[in-house]
Amino acid sequence: QQQVKQSPQSLIVQKGGISIINCAYENTAFDYFPWYQQFPGKGPALLIAIRPDVSEKKEGRFTISFNKSAKQFSLHIMDSQPGDSATYFCAVKRSYQLIWGAGTKLIIKP
Amino acid sequence: EAQVTQNPRYLITVTGKKLTVTCSQNMNHEYMSWYRQDPGLGLRQIYYSMNVEVTDKGDVPEGYKVSRKEKRNFPLILESPSPNQTSLYFCASSFISGRAQETQYFGPGTRLLVL
Repeated sequence: QQQVKQSPQSLIVQKGGISIINCAYENTAFDYFPWYQQFPGKGPALLIAIRPDVSEKKEGRFTISFNKSAKQFSLHIMDSQPGDSATYFCAVKRSYQLIWGAGTKLIIKP
Repeated sequence: EAQVTQNPRYLITVTGKKLTVTCSQNMNHEYMSWYRQDPGLGLRQIYYSMNVEVTDKGDVPEGYKVSRKEKRNFPLILESPSPNQTSLYFCASSFISGRAQETQYFGPGTRLLVL
């Protein structure tokens, strides 16, 4: 069963715009919510993560917003740059395991 | 340099011919894991290992085997590959305690085509 639903599947944003990717999960037992970034030909790499005791975390141009009651969290990329073009995965952590969303292919147009 | 390495990076094989994909990490991580990545499905865990000689099934273990005889190595074995195992495979590792356990480090991937 799909425990993490990620949307949209693909996203095109103009340079300088805001990119927003959303994830919804189905289980309240998760305790860690990371976003991973993957460039073509590379493995995913941790971008930013949040724990459920906070509603927002910001690191540079990247922000996670977390809504525990709605079981949703989102990634916001401010001032999106062509170098941000990549596939983004949300995940939820259950014990030692990560359960992944399907991924969002983000393209930033110059 | 701290890293996870996988070999080979690309592999074309035929149905039924046994193959092994190697994974090695130099970060002294206890936890290692194998994932497959398929379009529209994200990453799905195949097997994972909490430490030497401790392995367990993930969400899609059928058709795969693993072993963990040394801490740094975690090979993935396909005893009799089938075309539905054509995929992009990633090995990952992490610590298992404290906040450090929350970051998984991934290898560069192995693209497998089974004819």
